[in-house]
Order: sequence, then C-alpha cells, then structure tokens
Amino acid sequence: EPEVTQTPSHQVTQMGQEVILRCVPISNHLYFYWYRQILGQKVEFLVSFYNNEISEKSEIFDDQFSVERPDGSNFTLKIRSTKLEDSAMYFCASKRGVSNQPQHFGDGTRLSIL
Amino acid sequence: GENVGLHLPTLSVQEGDNSIINCAYSNSASDYFIWYKQESGKGPQFIIDIRSNMDKRQGQRVTVLLNKTVKHLSLQIAATQPGDSAVYFCAEISFGNEKLTFGTGTRLTIIP
Repeated sequence: EPEVTQTPSHQVTQMGQEVILRCVPISNHLYFYWYRQILGQKVEFLVSFYNNEISEKSEIFDDQFSVERPDGSNFTLKIRSTKLEDSAMYFCASKRGVSNQPQHFGDGTRLSIL
Repeated sequence: GENVGLHLPTLSVQEGDNSIINCAYSNSASDYFIWYKQESGKGPQFIIDIRSNMDKRQGQRVTVLLNKTVKHLSLQIAATQPGDSAVYFCAEISFGNEKLTFGTGTRLTIIP
C-alpha cells in the first residue's frame, strides 16, 4: 500500500540553525500538509499546500517557516532559524482530492533543538 | 501553554472484549470526521471516517458513530487484539477548510 515517507527520522540541530524536513507524499495525491506534535500534546496543523501554493496556514506557521515542492515528488518544510520550542515531531500528510477524503500521514521526523 | 503535560484519558480492555472510545467536538461547522490510531514512534494511521450526513459507518472490526446533536463521536472496536493497543485520536474538518483539528487522544491498552 502506498505511503507517505519522511526523512530523516531524527534531526538534531543547534538553536539558530536552519533545518529542512523532507517528505515524499503518496504519488497521485494533490494536497499536502505539515503538522507537528510536541511531546505529550495534540497533533497541531501547520500548513496546507495545493497547486504549488499555500492554501491555509496556522498562527504557528510564522515567517520562520516555509514549504516547497521542488520537484514532482518531494515536499519540504524549512525552518530558517530554529528555536528551542521548535523541538517536536513533524508529520507530513497528503490527500488525493478536494472532496472529504482522509489525510494520510508519514511516520514523522523528530526534531531536537539544542 | 495550557496543553503542556496533557494527561491522556486511558482505557484498559481485556483481549477479545469490545472497546468504545469517545470524542467530543465543539465546532458546529465540522462536517467530516476521522479516527486515527497512533502507535509509539509512528504517525497517525487512518482507521475510519464519517461524513456529517451519516450517523454510523462500519469497517472491519470498527464502527464509528456520530451524534451531531450533542457533538459526539465514538469509535467501537470489536474483539480487541493486542495490536489494537495505541493512542486513538478523533479529528474533524469543516467544509472548505484543509486543517484537521485533532482531539486530545485516548490511550487504549489491551490486556492479554
């Protein structure tokens, strides 16, 4: 069964450094998402992306964050200058079409900011 | 923040018994609901979904019930197995939006 894949599984970065989290969504999906989950807390929406642009974003997704689909298969989340509070699991998700359909999640990247 | 150290509701069920996990939502505009299962170190895994024009939907060993009057959703798992042990989240989305809003989650433990 096709699945969303994320790399790396664990990323350790010094505070203030830039980090790029990578995702390969399911191949025939058109809608892409990033969520995060701080340890012990709920999964929180960050951003949705469709047709090469951001369609919706949360207040967490400030100017330090950006997303990109650099080619036909990858979807990336960049954090420009990481802060300690960016430490979390980051999940990528994708969905096939516009109607009510489930978003399918990858297994996440654990981001640890030192 | 208010969610720091969020305490998950827990449910322990004997293997082979049925379990019911409940979820309350607050947004009257929510029209699509999903149950996800999250095992340790993994991402949310889709289990079953339901649209707001339905009140019940069945899958393999799972049933979702939706009561829009009281904004309540439940997940029933029949004949539980050890592999059902996980955290279960309900998630909701409203028409025209892309953002999934997740509930707190319930930790289900199956006792062998």
